[in-house]
Amino acid sequence: GEDVEQSLFLSVREGDSSVINCTYTDSSSTYLYWYKQEPGAGLQLLTYIFSNMDMKQDQRLTVLLNKKDKHLSLRIADTQTGDSAIYFCAESMTGRRALTFGSGTRLQVQP
Amino acid sequence: DVKVTQSSRYLVKRTGEKVFLECVQDMDHENMFWYRQDPGLGLRLIYFSYDVKMKEKGDIPEGYSVSREKKERFSLILESASTNQTSMYLCASTSPYNSPLHFGNGTRLTVT
Repeated sequence: GEDVEQSLFLSVREGDSSVINCTYTDSSSTYLYWYKQEPGAGLQLLTYIFSNMDMKQDQRLTVLLNKKDKHLSLRIADTQTGDSAIYFCAESMTGRRALTFGSGTRLQVQP
Repeated sequence: DVKVTQSSRYLVKRTGEKVFLECVQDMDHENMFWYRQDPGLGLRLIYFSYDVKMKEKGDIPEGYSVSREKKERFSLILESASTNQTSMYLCASTSPYNSPLHFGNGTRLTVT
């Protein structure tokens, strides 16, 4: 199927690193995305990675892609309370116009 | 900056009512999408449109229809609202497809 799977919840302490994981099924995915949703808001694009890359870094964010295992992760360094949100991974698949989203991981940052 | 505007943040409707959810984008995007978001299920695609008057069903189109008479506007219609359509509805746009989606802030619909 076209499943994109994520764990539902992650709790970390402020200042620690957070790692949010995602698995996907389509080996022909072209781009993989991470979106952030704060309470009461729509989804905001955080970062994305092209499928021929295995890592992308953007300030506190590091995306790792393991194509063999179809595994994507988002690492947030020095996690802050403002990072508390739901994080969605999404894939774009060849021949499909719309993105397929995971169920979202709720990140709770404890002060 | 791309702006995707959904006309209502909160709506409360009665079972059987016809409901219109409106979405407008200001970046001349060809592609527009309607998703619904439910806890534990993530975002599920209802319908999308790749041009004026063109539409395609997504993964869960039953009970919904759409209208795209102008490029900037994409409407989601619930012909006869039911309680299982209580959800958060998110509109998005992009151009070309496979580019990142730009989302509106969502409409939380409650059907009683």
